[in-house]
Amino acid sequence: GAVVSQHPSWVICKSGTSVKIECRSLDFQATTMFWYRQFPKQSLMLMATSNEGSKATYEQGVEKDKFLINHASLTLSTLTVTSAHPEDSSFYICSARSGGRNEQFFGPGTRLTVL
Amino acid sequence: AQTVTQSQPEMSVQEAETVTLSCTYDTSENNYYLFWYKQPPSRQMILVIRQEAYKQQNATENRFSVNFQKAAKSFSLKISDSQLGDTAMYFCAFMKQMGSSNTGKLIFGQGTTLQVKP
Repeated sequence: GAVVSQHPSWVICKSGTSVKIECRSLDFQATTMFWYRQFPKQSLMLMATSNEGSKATYEQGVEKDKFLINHASLTLSTLTVTSAHPEDSSFYICSARSGGRNEQFFGPGTRLTVL
Repeated sequence: AQTVTQSQPEMSVQEAETVTLSCTYDTSENNYYLFWYKQPPSRQMILVIRQEAYKQQNATENRFSVNFQKAAKSFSLKISDSQLGDTAMYFCAFMKQMGSSNTGKLIFGQGTTLQVKP
């Protein structure tokens, strides 16, 4: 099956610092990757959609300068939370889709805690 | 715009019994896909079952089956012979048919937390 990994699985950082989360498709080429944010006991909130080699499309209300997304290759997308603050603490999940497949494959998520 | 509604925030079922989770959606599209995802305490999203809207036959995957009512825009999940490992949060999701303007974005419902009791 299609496997998506995320790194790190959890991270703690100080307020004001930047944190980078990696999302990799291990056994397929991901033409599109998605980044979600999830608060406890709530649904997944789509933050942005990224296609390889092009700029990410952000959902309404998501600050593109705060959440930088790069999809430089067909197997790697990164989410950088810049100048993190405690309210950015959350569970971040990525998913990936290969061209023509009507299914997303999800990474295991990254728990971010900003002190 | 499409919306997905799960009206049952929490449900519980005894082990070995059957439970049905509800999901309704709203769309003007004719061709689309519907999914049920499971998120256990590990928080890894797992695809449970998928239904193509153009198929009249309800999808089944072992103990999991759906009741897809296209006209009513309803897509319920039935779990038979419930097991302790079925304890998880379940999300219903909608996706438009892939096309030049559609990147395959999923629209999720609010989720239903299912507790299977021994």
